[in-house]
Amino acid sequence: EPEVTQTPSHQVTQMGQEVILRCVPISNHLYFYWYRQILGQKVEFLVSFYNNEISEKSEIFDDQFSVERPDGSNFTLKIRSTKLEDSAMYFCASNSPGGPYNEQFFGPGTRLTVL
Amino acid sequence: AQSVTQLGSHVSVSEGALVLLRCNYSSSVPPYLFWYVQYPNQGLQLLLKYTSAATLVKGINGFEAEFKKSETSFHLTKPSAHMSDAAEYFCAVSEDTSYDKVIFGPGTSLSVIP
Repeated sequence: EPEVTQTPSHQVTQMGQEVILRCVPISNHLYFYWYRQILGQKVEFLVSFYNNEISEKSEIFDDQFSVERPDGSNFTLKIRSTKLEDSAMYFCASNSPGGPYNEQFFGPGTRLTVL
Repeated sequence: AQSVTQLGSHVSVSEGALVLLRCNYSSSVPPYLFWYVQYPNQGLQLLLKYTSAATLVKGINGFEAEFKKSETSFHLTKPSAHMSDAAEYFCAVSEDTSYDKVIFGPGTSLSVIP
């Protein structure tokens, strides 16, 4: 069964450093998303991406964040200058349009730890 | 704006007992509703979804949920809890489109006591 994959599974970085989280969505999907989950809290929407541009972003997704689909398979989330409060689990999701419902398939997540 | 509330951040049940996890939603348009499960240190797995086809929805692992529009509820149940059901459960809502973002509730941690 096709699945969303994410790398790395765990990323440790120093405050102020740039990080890139990578996702490979399901191959025929066209909508892509990033969510984050701070430890012990709920999952929060960050951004959605379609047709090579951002469809919607939350107030969390400020200028420090960017997303890109550099090729036909990868979908990346970049944090330019990490802060301690960026420590969280980041989930990528993808979705195929045209179905009868909105089912997003989630990856296993990348745990980001900012020291 | 859409939102989800889950009554009880932590629920404990005995093995074999009924599981009931409560979810209420707020949406200005007919919603899609979901229950996701998250096992420790793992990602999110879809348990079941409501998409207006039927008010009683059956999912994986013996779970089901009933959509009650008058109560704006979508409670999750399972007749008999199993030890393997111990996990975090998230109720979620999205707008009635095929690509809208998903809004998650705060989650309910389910413990199963042997």
